[in-house]
Amino acid sequence: EADIYQTPRYLVIGTGKKITLECSQTMGHDKMYWYQQDPGMELHLIHYSYGVNSTEKGDLSSESTVSRIRTEHFPLTLESARPSHTSQYLCASSERTGTRTDTQYFGPGTRLTVL
Amino acid sequence: AQKITQTQPGMFVQEKEAVTLDCTYDTSDPSYGLFWYKQPSSGEMIFLIYQGSYDQQNATEGRYSLNFQKARKSANLVISASQLGDSAMYFCAMREAQTGANNLFFGTGTRLTVIP
Repeated sequence: EADIYQTPRYLVIGTGKKITLECSQTMGHDKMYWYQQDPGMELHLIHYSYGVNSTEKGDLSSESTVSRIRTEHFPLTLESARPSHTSQYLCASSERTGTRTDTQYFGPGTRLTVL
Repeated sequence: AQKITQTQPGMFVQEKEAVTLDCTYDTSDPSYGLFWYKQPSSGEMIFLIYQGSYDQQNATEGRYSLNFQKARKSANLVISASQLGDSAMYFCAMREAQTGANNLFFGTGTRLTVIP
């Protein structure tokens, strides 16, 4: 059972607002990820981190930004939310073992709606 | 080209029966891993099973097994003795060793409905 948490679970917000989606894990995993998923569709990687002070952009271009100041915390920020940002955002983490397994464990997700 | 293809948008299975969810993949990397995740309507992604490209035997985890056919590049998930709680979206995913980011490529998913 993975211990990875996301808040809020649901967020409805108006256009132009700044929002931060929280993600925390208690497993001491070095690697963390943010995925975006539209309803009924596949997941796309938007950000990842190998460890503290490491952040990289994923395959899907995103206007969001991330930070990794502590191992357990990987928040995602949208400076000015737009309706096109409406989606589900899933956070995940995995161990930096260098093995082929490196299973990613996911949080419960945040469903964001921008009006 | 799609790295992961799931051709069944939806599947139905009778309770207590077995069901196979299809997944084919495309990679030129000899070292890769294949994963299956379950996503209930609540939204979280639950890891089910893993198969490594060099694993000699098909992976099994309880009622889940993976029918790994390397030459055909397929990694089908078999769920035995289906339960009502198995109704969910199921995603196949792949990670290639050459992709340093440990990125997972996901398929479009299969929605499984278990009928009482």
